[in-house]
Amino acid sequence: AQSVTQPDIHITVSEGASLELRCNYSYGATPYLFWYVQSPGQGLQLLLKYFSGDTLVQGIKGFEAEFKRSQSSFNLRKPSVHWSDAAEYFCAVVEPGGSYIPTFGRGTSLIVHP
Amino acid sequence: GAVVSQHPSWVICKSGTSVKIECRSLDFQATTMFWYRQFPKQSLMLMATSNEGSKATYEQGVEKDKFLINHASLTLSTLTVTSAHPEDSSFYICSAPAAGSSYNEQFFGPGTRLTVL
Repeated sequence: AQSVTQPDIHITVSEGASLELRCNYSYGATPYLFWYVQSPGQGLQLLLKYFSGDTLVQGIKGFEAEFKRSQSSFNLRKPSVHWSDAAEYFCAVVEPGGSYIPTFGRGTSLIVHP
Repeated sequence: GAVVSQHPSWVICKSGTSVKIECRSLDFQATTMFWYRQFPKQSLMLMATSNEGSKATYEQGVEKDKFLINHASLTLSTLTVTSAHPEDSSFYICSAPAAGSSYNEQFFGPGTRLTVL
């Protein structure tokens, strides 16, 4: 069974600093990979996704993520964090050709200090 | 992009009553929708798969008589929490796969906060 690991429960950064949120997956082949953001009391908003091709994907709000097959990772990055980026971030994987059901990581809470 | 709505966005009810939550795909049809439950500071837990015109498929440990799911049309799925109790208080989120997408992409509703007193 596939699994998703987000090793950091909380990440604290200062506004303007760079950010990297880690995501590792366990799956036999390359899954489809997603990053979602959830603000308090809100649903999930898709930041970016990787299906194939260029391993560096650009998303909304200045986020990007890099797929590294050798490390089974799909880390999310942002060069300069804004206070409004404080939220919960979820990495998710979907089995290609399988069901539509994503497997989510447990989430990483981003705290931004002024 | 495709939009999924939920109604209500929040609801407070008394213990023992039933609550219905609606999930609608606004600009696309969805033969399948998914219902998730999310506890504070935790990830989403898949509860069930809602199938248009047939019975829902429930995940292990989810009581189907407790959480009734109806998918009456291609744009609407409902989750009814029957005889709600305080432990049912949670954030409920639905999703629908993007129509025609071969990449299994999901669109999520904004969620419904249920508080049972």
